[in-house]
Amino acid sequence: KNQVEQSPQSLIILEGKNCTLQCNYTVSPFSNLRWYKQDTGRGPVSLTIMTFSENTKSNGRYTATLDADTKQSSLHITASQLSDSASYICVVSAREDNYGQNFVFGPGTRLSVLP
Amino acid sequence: GAVVSQHPSWVICKSGTSVKIECRSLDFQATTMFWYRQFPKQSLMLMATSNEGSKATYEQGVEKDKFLINHASLTLSTLTVTSAHPEDSSFYICSARTPAKGKNSPLHFGNGTRLTVT
Repeated sequence: KNQVEQSPQSLIILEGKNCTLQCNYTVSPFSNLRWYKQDTGRGPVSLTIMTFSENTKSNGRYTATLDADTKQSSLHITASQLSDSASYICVVSAREDNYGQNFVFGPGTRLSVLP
Repeated sequence: GAVVSQHPSWVICKSGTSVKIECRSLDFQATTMFWYRQFPKQSLMLMATSNEGSKATYEQGVEKDKFLINHASLTLSTLTVTSAHPEDSSFYICSARTPAKGKNSPLHFGNGTRLTVT
């Protein structure tokens, strides 16, 4: 069964600190892995997309890593800001299709950045 | 960048009435759009895949007669919650993809619609 797990479920950090969110998946055949940020009451916004051959990808203070062998990904946030408070969702595409019907969503990690 | 607009952002309706939610791709053509449902503190659950000019594909357990989807043009898909009940209260989100940019293009999400059925 295709599944995506994320840890921790929730995380509280102080402004300016770094943090790392984890994503483990059992999705096959793997196509790509995406990290999204979802502010409360809003739709998710794409942070990174990684394919099988990519080990790391950065988007500003966000750096995602991917280990396709162990089927793990992480999202590292550097120098956190209050605006980073949101849910971070890991989404794995199950096959190489053109329409995305096989996106498998993780449950998300709820990050709270405190002043 | 690609923008998906969802309307309304929130709606309150009485039990038994129907509610229509619109999802528009503003600067690209979307042959396929997706509708999700999200309960508090949970992740998105795919409800159905909306295909322009044809019938939607519903996920298992989603009642197609209750959640009517129409994708009449390449930029507009609508979700109608018919005979809404309090248990239908949820956050509904649509998304679309830009097929021209390949399978690794991001999903673009609308900002969601908060439905409250009283």
